[in-house]
Amino acid sequence: SQELEQSPQSLIVQEGKNLTINCTSSKTLYGLYWYKQKYGEGLIFLMMLQKGGEEKSHEKITAKLDEKKQQSSLHITASQPSHAGIYLCGADTGGGNKLTFGTGTQLKVEL
Amino acid sequence: GAVVSQHPSWVICKSGTSVKIECRSLDFQATTMFWYRQFPKQSLMLMATSNEGSKATYEQGVEKDKFLINHASLTLSTLTVTSAHPEDSSFYICSASVSGNTIYFGEGSWLTVV
Repeated sequence: SQELEQSPQSLIVQEGKNLTINCTSSKTLYGLYWYKQKYGEGLIFLMMLQKGGEEKSHEKITAKLDEKKQQSSLHITASQPSHAGIYLCGADTGGGNKLTFGTGTQLKVEL
Repeated sequence: GAVVSQHPSWVICKSGTSVKIECRSLDFQATTMFWYRQFPKQSLMLMATSNEGSKATYEQGVEKDKFLINHASLTLSTLTVTSAHPEDSSFYICSASVSGNTIYFGEGSWLTVV
């Protein structure tokens, strides 16, 4: 079975709406990383979570890691066209900064 | 600004030739770097761990003789695709960890083998 599952695979929202992307690991996480990618380009670091129950925010994006450190959510408030892209969660399950990635969520924001 | 830089961004090579991609850490030393591959519309797959001063560690299914990794200095890792074939065409991207466990990625390199 997939070690890291991300949902939904794609998402279309209207500008101004809120949205949530989920990432679930079958293993306990040493760290959970969220990145944004435009197709064919590098990954933009968004946030890194390490502690159970941790929550971080940057501008309109909030990420949480559950107490068991196996599930994370990324929440975008009042989405804008600039939020469009592919969101990837990366899991460090071994503590060595080697990441396993989810399948990604393609986000489109419609005007 | 970028903390991990890759070069080249795009490369086209003939089938059977070798091509080298560089990954540099900017303003910090990286004893470990990672190489990933991403096929169109798919997620990133880890290929290998590049260790400064020692042999790279390859993931299962990745041919070490085909994807040569050299990490000769604390700021540079190179990936050489030897005897490239069209099926090696892909997006290759590296990562390095800054202190505090923040992992940054390079801009990626598109390889097209014709």
